[in-house]
Amino acid sequence: EAGVAQSPRYKIIEKRQSVAFWCNPISGHATLYWYQQILGQGPKLLIQFQNNGVVDDSQLPKDRFSAERLKGVDSTLKIQPAKLEDSAVYLCASSRGVQEKLFFGSGTQLSVL
Amino acid sequence: KQEVTQIPAALSVPEGENLVLNCSFTDSAIYNLQWFRQDPGKGLTSLLLIQSSQREQTSGRLNASLDKSSGRSTLYIAASQPGDSATYLCAVRSGGNNRLAFGKGNQVVVIP
Repeated sequence: EAGVAQSPRYKIIEKRQSVAFWCNPISGHATLYWYQQILGQGPKLLIQFQNNGVVDDSQLPKDRFSAERLKGVDSTLKIQPAKLEDSAVYLCASSRGVQEKLFFGSGTQLSVL
Repeated sequence: KQEVTQIPAALSVPEGENLVLNCSFTDSAIYNLQWFRQDPGKGLTSLLLIQSSQREQTSGRLNASLDKSSGRSTLYIAASQPGDSATYLCAVRSGGNNRLAFGKGNQVVVIP
């Protein structure tokens, strides 16, 4: 079974630039999550999708972050414009259902200079 | 709001010793609790998931217990090996939005 795929693996941008991350979940997984993990911290939920609908985006800074999950499969997370404090690892995860085991991708390490 | 605490932040043990990692949470009305492992520069790997109705789960050398009433979970790793060196994170699912709240993790080094 293929795992959760994420790209790019690393990204370096200047502040005020825009960036996008891509995630392909495990086939058949209805629930998809985007997390932000700052060094030394646990992951923080940004947005959760159930199929192509948003379940929880209460911690997503909507003035600069946006996410979509077209056709209930792949998802993209965008930051525009980026700030220095957005430097973090962005993790995508998926699960069969809301209360089931999560499977994580390798993450995208973002550095904002 | 669910708060998850893992203390200590870092620990080292000699190879062969049993590892005991603790996780505490503030709201005992949980759906489930998961333990994850994270290697440097990698994503998280799920180790064990304990449903709220369960007291423990076991997989190989790993055993996790859950005491909802006291808001605690413990991860035991028997006969630790250098390959067990990693950060271990506890995550609790609770609340009307089913959100998974993570602790900051225990960074473990097993010394050969």
